[in-house]
Amino acid sequence: KQEVTQIPAALSVPEGENLVLNCSFTDSAIYNLQWFRQDPGKGLTSLLLIQSSQREQTSGRLNASLDKSSGRSTLYIAASQPGDSATYLCAVRPRENTGFQKLVFGTGTRLLVSP
Amino acid sequence: NAGVMQNPRHLVRRRGQEARLRCSPMKGHSHVYWYRQLPEEGLKFMVYLQKENIIDESGMPKERFSAEFPKEGPSILRIQQVVRGDSAAYFCASSPGGAGTTFGSGTQLSVL
Repeated sequence: KQEVTQIPAALSVPEGENLVLNCSFTDSAIYNLQWFRQDPGKGLTSLLLIQSSQREQTSGRLNASLDKSSGRSTLYIAASQPGDSATYLCAVRPRENTGFQKLVFGTGTRLLVSP
Repeated sequence: NAGVMQNPRHLVRRRGQEARLRCSPMKGHSHVYWYRQLPEEGLKFMVYLQKENIIDESGMPKERFSAEFPKEGPSILRIQQVVRGDSAAYFCASSPGGAGTTFGSGTQLSVL
């Protein structure tokens, strides 16, 4: 059974810092891995999607890496801003789920960036 | 494109009442997924539906919960005889079948 863990559970940093969020998963048989952002009272916004054959994806100040063999992914946020404050969720799509998008989520990292 | 629309945003029910949560997928999306997020927990898959069919309901509680996605109209997640433990955020997501899932803003269910 696939399990996804995110560390740390919460993180508080001053504005401008570079930071790394960690995600680990127990079964390397995945189609892809996604990082989402969740704002209070709002839905999930997809930030980056990494296919199992890829090593990393970049979007603006965000960079996500994937090491499938070790069951790890990291989300790197450069030059953090107060607007980055949110909960960041990691989710994997297990390879067993052919044909549909059943995702297994971690419990998230709650990020607070102070001015 | 209005995205995935869920309503209501907030729903308050007393124990024993019924809760009906609605989800309109993105235009052109025929696959709908429901997830539940309990307080301080991650999102957990509940059910996957295509038009008029339940494809996978492995995450649905065996009793009181049901879901449908009729030929016309939104997908409905129905919870009968709600209990306090049903209080959670319920998220709907849709996809066209290939890669890419879009989530709605969720319905926050509070059971008094």
